Amino acid sequence: DTGVSQDPRHKITKRGQNVTFRCDPISEHNRLYWYRQTLGQGPEFLTYFQNEAQLEKSRLLSDRFSAERPKGSFSTLEIQRTEQGDSAMYLCASSLGIARSLNTEAFFGQGTRLTVV
Amino acid sequence: RKEVEQDPGPFNVPEGATVAFNCTYSNSASQSFFWYRQDCRKEPKLLMSVYSSGNEDGRFTAQLNRASQYISLLIRDSKLSDSATYLCVVNARLGVSNTGKLIFGQGTTLQVKP
Repeated sequence: DTGVSQDPRHKITKRGQNVTFRCDPISEHNRLYWYRQTLGQGPEFLTYFQNEAQLEKSRLLSDRFSAERPKGSFSTLEIQRTEQGDSAMYLCASSLGIARSLNTEAFFGQGTRLTVV
Repeated sequence: RKEVEQDPGPFNVPEGATVAFNCTYSNSASQSFFWYRQDCRKEPKLLMSVYSSGNEDGRFTAQLNRASQYISLLIRDSKLSDSATYLCVVNARLGVSNTGKLIFGQGTTLQVKP
């Protein structure tokens, strides 16, 4: 399977614990995105990378969230001191950026569903 | 004001009906536009890109109106299998520069009834 893969698919954690999610993009894609989605809402932008550089991070994101993309390949999203409000589907997507402002299709992984209890 | 706005619906239509969704965006300099489809509890998947000249793919037609900053999606002869949430997607702007960030609307839910 050469699509975007995310791990784990489901995560249940206690409030206050740290969690880390992994995303493996399509190999030739230089852009990688993280989104959060709750029921009835569209995907909410969290952050994105072009190769290994994190180009933008949502202002809505607290300091408890951090993402990395070492070597411009896979990416990890860490949430520290989880809160119940962090419960959501975390989606990763990748695309081939052909110019600064242009995008080709973004392909999504199946997501990691986080439940904070 | 949200960067990308859609009427969440739901739109309930009978099979065979024609239905249209609109989406408005606030960034006048956006250059990439897409419609994605998302089935319940699944990831979004690209339905079609939207070009300035408008484009058609079978029963689906997408239009872009830059002057009014809206995008439309028309579905003709709707099928039961078209029932899903349709997400409007636009690339964002940071200051005077465009970025690669993709912004999603809330989504419009379509339910096609037999």
